[in-house]
Amino acid sequence: DTGVSQDPRHKITKRGQNVTFRCDPISEHNRLYWYRQTLGQGPEFLTYFQNEAQLEKSRLLSDRFSAERPKGSFSTLEIQRTEQGDSAMYLCASSSIVEAFFGQGTRLTVV
Amino acid sequence: AQSVTQLDSQVPVFEEAPVELRCNYSSSVSVYLFWYVQYPNQGLQLLLKYLSGSTLVKGINGFEAEFNKSQTSFHLRKPSVHISDTAEYFCAVTVGAFSNDYKLSFGAGTTVTVRA
Repeated sequence: DTGVSQDPRHKITKRGQNVTFRCDPISEHNRLYWYRQTLGQGPEFLTYFQNEAQLEKSRLLSDRFSAERPKGSFSTLEIQRTEQGDSAMYLCASSSIVEAFFGQGTRLTVV
Repeated sequence: AQSVTQLDSQVPVFEEAPVELRCNYSSSVSVYLFWYVQYPNQGLQLLLKYLSGSTLVKGINGFEAEFNKSQTSFHLRKPSVHISDTAEYFCAVTVGAFSNDYKLSFGAGTTVTVRA
C-alpha cells in the first residue's frame, strides 16, 4: 500500500491555459474525492466518485472543471481556461468506507 | 447541511505544555467526526476519528478528543506538546451514514505553533 499519489505536486500556469491533475488512489478503495484548499482555509468538497461513476459535484465545480475516473482506477481533474481564482491546493482522497486517506496535493498557481 | 466551527485560528504554546483545540459542529442528523493534521505543503493525515461507542477517542502522536453530543463539540487535546506538533489542525464532519457518500465538511483550521 503506497498511499494516495498525486501528480504533479506543483503546477504554475498562465491564465487561460488548461491544466490536468492526476490522482492514483489506494488500490482497493472504491471511493475517490477531490477537494480544493485555498490559503488559510479548510478543504472544500468538489466531487466524488464511487468506482467509475461520478455521483456528486459541488456548486464550486464550474463548467470549466471536469473530472473523470475511467475504469474506477485513477482519476483526473481538468481545469479549462484557468483563472487566477483557481490558484489553490487540489487534494485527492480515497476510502473504502468512512476513513479517507489524502494525497500530498497539487498546488496550482495561475499567473 | 452540516458545518464545523473551529473556535481558535491560532494557538501558540510552549513545548511540554498541554494544548486544547476547540471544535463545534452543527448537523440535524448523527455525524462522524475527525481531526486531521497538515504540515506545510503536505496533504492531510488522520489523527483520530469518532464513529460510535466511547466518547473519548485516542489517536496517533498522543492526541485524544472527546465527543460531546449535548454541546455538539469534539475538542482535541494533547497533554504535552513537542516542537514537531507545529502544524495546521482541521476538524471535519460527515453525515455519510445517511447520505452514503462520506464527503467531509472541514473547519477553517487552527494553526498550532510550539515554542521552545
